[in-house]
Amino acid sequence: GQNIDQPTEMTATEGAIVQINCTYQTSGFNGLFWYQQHAGEAPTFLSYNVLDGLEEKGRFSSFLSRSKGYSYLLLKELQMKDSASYLCAVLDSNYQLIWGAGTKLIIKP
Amino acid sequence: GAVVSQHPSWVICKSGTSVKIECRSLDFQATTMFWYRQFPKQSLMLMATSNEGSKATYEQGVEKDKFLINHASLTLSTLTVTSAHPEDSSFYICSARRLAGELETQYFGPGTRLLVL
Repeated sequence: GQNIDQPTEMTATEGAIVQINCTYQTSGFNGLFWYQQHAGEAPTFLSYNVLDGLEEKGRFSSFLSRSKGYSYLLLKELQMKDSASYLCAVLDSNYQLIWGAGTKLIIKP
Repeated sequence: GAVVSQHPSWVICKSGTSVKIECRSLDFQATTMFWYRQFPKQSLMLMATSNEGSKATYEQGVEKDKFLINHASLTLSTLTVTSAHPEDSSFYICSARRLAGELETQYFGPGTRLLVL
């Protein structure tokens, strides 16, 4: 079966750095997405990785290792507004998005 | 970035009525749109994949006669919840697939909150 694992909840301090991990086992791979979802709102696109390595975009970076079936989202200089759920999703061989359950990130002052 | 709109954003209706939700891609053509449902504190659940000009593909456990999907054009997909019941109360979110070269991304609409009394 297809499976995506990410931690249920993480807590971090304002101004700090946090890394949210995602491991996946899917039938085929056509890329991995990270989305941010604030409570009561729809998800918003953060990043897309299809090749191994690190993609940096401002305070957010996303890393992918296809051989390990592993990705992480790195958030730097955390702000209170970063409190949200972060969703990892993999595009499988049929170009269907397989979703993780999301990681709820709590930022404390 | 690409914009996807949803209308209405909020619906309150009586049990037994039907509700139509529209999803539009505003600045790109989307041959494929997706409909999700999300219950409080739960993850997104894919309901169906909507393809322009053809029948939607429903996920297991989703009643296609209850959740009618029409993808009439490259920028519009509609979800109709027929004979809604209180257990259908949820947050319904659509997304549109956009292809830009080799990059495929899904852009989400803002969601529609449905409350069935």
